[in-house]
Amino acid sequence: ETGVTQSPTHLIKTRGQQVTLRCSSQSGHNTVSWYQQALGQGPQFIFQYYREEENGRGNFPPRFSGLQFPNYSSELNVNALELDDSALYLCAMGGSYEQYFGPGTRLTVT
Amino acid sequence: AQSVTQPDIHITVSEGASLELRCNYSYGATPYLFWYVQSPGQGLQLLLKYFSGDTLVQGIKGFEAEFKRSQSSFNLRKPSVHWSDAAEYFCAVGSRSNDYKLSFGAGTTVTVRA
Repeated sequence: ETGVTQSPTHLIKTRGQQVTLRCSSQSGHNTVSWYQQALGQGPQFIFQYYREEENGRGNFPPRFSGLQFPNYSSELNVNALELDDSALYLCAMGGSYEQYFGPGTRLTVT
Repeated sequence: AQSVTQPDIHITVSEGASLELRCNYSYGATPYLFWYVQSPGQGLQLLLKYFSGDTLVQGIKGFEAEFKRSQSSFNLRKPSVHWSDAAEYFCAVGSRSNDYKLSFGAGTTVTVRA
């Protein structure tokens, strides 16, 4: 049990729609990272937030955006959903020596 | 750029037998290396990590891994596998200079037969 929670657990959206995924922690980690895990693949780094500022982005288009709030919870927003966005989205809290992963949100785009 | 290769997509092992999962990384500086396990429909659980010091690292659930700089490898081992070890295993690399952003391998699926 990492203490990192994500909501919702599952989500089904239609192509072209927008989606918001959420991540929070019982502990006050000031760094949060988001990863996309397509079926049968390893997680791919989307972006990281540190003290409410974006601190690096992977190879994802601008329609993937995020926020980190003063209580260190975070949102991942995806606009103009595409079929290839179907994946498990994982958030990880903590930096440096250890990152604690949440259980993920399974997004299906139809 | 940092990257990870897990050469074995799928491994089947008998319960009680030993297990070794291979991981090769590419990174110019000193890497931070991790092994995670993922059960079906679950998030990632950290098994062990290496930052510096002793190259043989002990983790949870009886797993260990050995860092070999000369071979750019960080292989995961367990002497005796239990049926509950059936899962997907991911090797990951990060670094201080890259703000600890992790690059993952594609994973190795472990099946345990009775």
